[in-house]
Amino acid sequence: GNSVTQMEGPVTLSEEAFLTINCTYTATGYPSLFWYVQYPGEGLQLLLKATKADDKGSNKGFEATYRKETTSFHLEKGSVQVSDSAVYFCALSKGGTSGSRLTFGEGTQLTVNP
Amino acid sequence: ETGVTQSPTHLIKTRGQQVTLRCSSQSGHNTVSWYQQALGQGPQFIFQYYREEENGRGNFPPRFSGLQFPNYSSELNVNALELDDSALYLCASSLVSGSYNEQFFGPGTRLTVL
Repeated sequence: GNSVTQMEGPVTLSEEAFLTINCTYTATGYPSLFWYVQYPGEGLQLLLKATKADDKGSNKGFEATYRKETTSFHLEKGSVQVSDSAVYFCALSKGGTSGSRLTFGEGTQLTVNP
Repeated sequence: ETGVTQSPTHLIKTRGQQVTLRCSSQSGHNTVSWYQQALGQGPQFIFQYYREEENGRGNFPPRFSGLQFPNYSSELNVNALELDDSALYLCASSLVSGSYNEQFFGPGTRLTVL
């Protein structure tokens, strides 16, 4: 079946540090890949997505590249801010008969200190 | 444009009871998906409704059931509550089923089973 594995957290960084959160996936075919962010007490917000191999998703300074050869979709940001503190989820969707159901990783808690 | 709303925000039930959670989809959306997010974990897909019909189900027992109404709002019903049902229940709406379309999440309902 489909699965997503994220790096174990939590991750604690100082403001302006470089961020990488690793994500690998297992799926047949060509899934779409996503990063969602969850701020305290809120639902999920789509951060970025990529729908085919070698696509790069980007938003708010965050980037992730769909690497089919390594089945990875690592999230990066060059300079984090305190406001980036949240839980980040990597997810995939197969589409087709699965519709738009999402399979999520377990999440990575990011804390950015001033 | 009104986003996805869920009610109630919080709910406390005892083991064996039944609960109904409600979701109003974003205007113009015809598909609703429900997810269960246990504490410290990623969301798990429960089921999806498209034009009032169930369109895919995750690995949840039959005591989890749902409805979608003509206005595309939805209910999630859970019978015979168990302690492990304590979680954040997320509703997400999207425009079309059968291929990926962005899902917009509500803030969730926090269910506590005592």
